[in-house]
Amino acid sequence: GAVVSQHPSWVICKSGTSVKIECRSLDFQATTMFWYRQFPKQSLMLMATSNEGSKATYEQGVEKDKFLINHASLTLSTLTVTSAHPEDSSFYICSASLSSYNEQFFGPGTRLTVL
Amino acid sequence: AQTVTQSQPEMSVQEAETVTLSCTYDTSENNYYLFWYKQPPSRQMILVIRQEAYKQQNATENRFSVNFQKAAKSFSLKISDSQLGDTAMYFCAFSSATSGTYKYIFGTGTRLKVLA
Repeated sequence: GAVVSQHPSWVICKSGTSVKIECRSLDFQATTMFWYRQFPKQSLMLMATSNEGSKATYEQGVEKDKFLINHASLTLSTLTVTSAHPEDSSFYICSASLSSYNEQFFGPGTRLTVL
Repeated sequence: AQTVTQSQPEMSVQEAETVTLSCTYDTSENNYYLFWYKQPPSRQMILVIRQEAYKQQNATENRFSVNFQKAAKSFSLKISDSQLGDTAMYFCAFSSATSGTYKYIFGTGTRLKVLA
C-alpha cells in the first residue's frame, strides 16, 4: 500500500513554455502533499506544502507565481512550472501523507529539462 | 530552526561487512520523528527505518538498526551484512508538527558504495 505516482517521469520543453506535473496517491487519501526539488548529487529541497482544498504554502525563496500548485482532490496534486527557463531544469519529487500519520510516501520523481 | 547534519559525504564498505552512517540534528522540540531514507540510482525514495522520539528503544528493521541518542541529538544508521543492493544515497530526515504539518528536513546525504 501507500503508493504515489508521478506523471510524466521525464519531460523536455522549450524555454518559455509551461509544464504540468501530476502527483497521485493511488491507494490512500492524502490530505497533505509536498513538492521537492533535487539538484544532481544534492539533497531534497522542500518547495511547498499543499493541503486539499486550500492554497499551497511555499517555502522561503520559492516563487509561487512560477511554481503553481493545485491540490484539487485527496488523491491529486499538480505542479505547473510556468514560463520555464533552463535554470528550472531539475528533478522534481512529490510526496503524500495521511493526516493522522506523519510518514511521507514518495513518488518516483519527474526529470524536467528546459531547452 | 531545526537542522539535520550528515557529516559523511561518501562511504564505502565491503560486502557482508557492517557500516554506520552518522546523523545529528538540532531542535528544541520534545516530540518529533526521525527517518532514514535510501535513494538508489532510480532516485525513488525508499523508507529504511523510522524512530519516534518518545520511544527509548532503538528501531530495527532486519539488517538495519539505529542508535538513537536523544540527549546527544544523534541518530546513526547501522547496516549489517552489507549487500551490493545497499549501494545508494542515504538521507536522514527530521519531522515534527510545525504549524500543524509534518514537514521533513533532510540532511545533505551520504553516498554509500558497497564493494564486491
